[in-house]
Amino acid sequence: AQTVTQSQPEMSVQEAETVTLSCTYDTSESDYYLFWYKQPPSRQMILVIRQEAYKQQNATENRFSVNFQKAAKSFSLKISDSQLGDAAMYFCAYRSVPGYGQNFVFGPGTRLSVLP
Amino acid sequence: GAGVSQSPRYKVAKRGRDVALRCDSISGHVTLYWYRQTLGQGSEVLTYSQSDAQRDKSGRPSGRFSAERPERSVSTLKIQRTEQGDSAVYLCASSFLGDRGHNEQFFGPGTRLTVL
Repeated sequence: AQTVTQSQPEMSVQEAETVTLSCTYDTSESDYYLFWYKQPPSRQMILVIRQEAYKQQNATENRFSVNFQKAAKSFSLKISDSQLGDAAMYFCAYRSVPGYGQNFVFGPGTRLSVLP
Repeated sequence: GAGVSQSPRYKVAKRGRDVALRCDSISGHVTLYWYRQTLGQGSEVLTYSQSDAQRDKSGRPSGRFSAERPERSVSTLKIQRTEQGDSAVYLCASSFLGDRGHNEQFFGPGTRLTVL
């Protein structure tokens, strides 16, 4: 069974600075998807960024980018030029390629605070 | 277009009672998911349905949890004989396409269930 680990329960960053949230996972599959979701205090989770394991190029979405290290099974999220609105819980998630519902696995989350 | 909504947002139940949680997904979305989110443990998928107006087919977990889909964009998660360990936030999500790994899921705000 796949597992997702986020070793940082809480992180903080100064506004306009850069922060990196770590995520590691365990799987025996060679092809899969990885996601970062953001959950603001209102609780609705929003997809931030997605990475296909077969792609070597790291995904980027505006100020959000990932460092995907397949051999190390690491999938960290970098937030550049942090904004107050970035404060939220961030969940790393893994999903198998066939994508059957049972195979969507979330990590425990990292609570990010942004300091003005 | 409205996003995914859930009701109630908060529910308190006495142990042993049955509860029903409602999810209204985005019109046109095919697949509906239910997740249980517990603090520090992330989220686990409980069940999903990929057909309209049919009972959930995932069969996981069996027993006290079940989902019905009386309408294409409505799902009801039923928990029978609630236990204190069922206290959690229950998230509903939907995706436009079938249950494939790369399809984005849109999440509702969740229902916080407390079992006394």
